[in-house]
Amino acid sequence: EAGVTQSPTHLIKTRGQQATLRCSPISGHTSVYWYQQALGLGLQFLLWYDEGEERNRGNFPPRFSGRQFPNYSSELNVNALELEDSALYLCASSLEVSGADTQYFGPGTRLTVL
Amino acid sequence: GQNIDQPTEMTATEGAIVQINCTYQTSGFNGLFWYQQHAGEAPTFLSYNVLDGLEEKGRFSSFLSRSKGYSYLLLKELQMKDSASYLCAVRDLDTDKLIFGTGTRLQVFP
Repeated sequence: EAGVTQSPTHLIKTRGQQATLRCSPISGHTSVYWYQQALGLGLQFLLWYDEGEERNRGNFPPRFSGRQFPNYSSELNVNALELEDSALYLCASSLEVSGADTQYFGPGTRLTVL
Repeated sequence: GQNIDQPTEMTATEGAIVQINCTYQTSGFNGLFWYQQHAGEAPTFLSYNVLDGLEEKGRFSSFLSRSKGYSYLLLKELQMKDSASYLCAVRDLDTDKLIFGTGTRLQVFP
């Protein structure tokens, strides 16, 4: 069974540009989560999508947005990039929304903002 | 508020046992997860605890005390490949969000 996949692996942008990151969940998983992992910091929750709808978002500005498609894949968009947006962006998926569901992570997209 | 605390770094010797502690404060609790993350790689799921007690899975065990807001991950018969960061994460009952600690970087020496 294929795991969570993310693309691209690496992305280099300049300040002010826009970045689009993509995630495909494990087959059968309907929930997709996005996290930011900056150097030396823990995973910070960004966004959670389930069944095509945004269920929750973390403490990030509105220039971080995303969507989930009918096939449950997801996009994270970051507008007006700032230097501090440089981080590893991880996507995770889970089978269902419940206390016991485990989130399985993709390999991440490393975004560098110059 | 929500707070997850773990030691930043730990070292241990190959073949030894190490215990990584995690304390948490959340408005509501709905399970605690441990993940392993090797440098430059994605976190991989290790264990899940929602009831008090010890969950054993091979060389790894995880313990939870909800009344104390405390968990630990126990790694036995350490191997060099166990050198990684270990992330403690708590699911908040009210928001369903998974709140991660900053992780404990474990280095295993020969």
